[in-house]
Amino acid sequence: QVQLVQSGTEVKKPGASVKVSCKASGYTFITYGISWLRQAPGQGLEWMGWITPYNGNTNYAQNLQGRVTMTTDTSTSTAYMELMSLRSDDTAVYYCARRAIFGGAYYFDNWGQGTLVTVSS
Amino acid sequence: QSVLTQPPSVSEAPRQRVTISCSGSRFNIENNAVNWYQQVPGKPPKLLVYYDHLLPSGVSDRFSGSKSGTSASLAISGLQSEDEADYYCASWDDSLNGWVFGGGTKLTVL
Repeated sequence: QVQLVQSGTEVKKPGASVKVSCKASGYTFITYGISWLRQAPGQGLEWMGWITPYNGNTNYAQNLQGRVTMTTDTSTSTAYMELMSLRSDDTAVYYCARRAIFGGAYYFDNWGQGTLVTVSS
Repeated sequence: QSVLTQPPSVSEAPRQRVTISCSGSRFNIENNAVNWYQQVPGKPPKLLVYYDHLLPSGVSDRFSGSKSGTSASLAISGLQSEDEADYYCASWDDSLNGWVFGGGTKLTVL
């Protein structure tokens, strides 16, 4: 079965960077994109961007351009999301999700368990 | 403030039917597919409906999705206590070149 397993909880100081990993199994990694989303405490979902492992193409949310980098390691079927210059409002649970497609439209059909990132001085 | 608008909460009795609305614009819902996700507190979201109205394997047919113009709806029939969760709509936005979500609707089964 499809599984996305994320790295553990992180605590960072303002201005630092964090890198979250997402290891995929149960499917051919390069045939599906990986999206990253986050959810601040008590808030809704926010899309951060996605990456196509086949060719490394990325598309980042406009409000995160310049601070976020998404990469993949196809040899280990792992996706990474690095967020730089952390601020307190980056405190959130970060999710990776597999990007599937039907009829030319995308959707997120499998999700990681989430990684809590806390930014605090 | 979310790009897609959902009611913050809905409630209904067991075995009844409830609908959750999701309002957007020509940049998102009207011209792109809508997906719905269910999230139980403390858990990751789960795909409930994709491509406006399709159900993933394993999702109960008590759930159904529809879309008309700039609005979409999720209907849940035969409500059960296990349906208590937060529900989110999502769609691609052509003007933002990214995914947008509704603020979420908390469903309470009375």
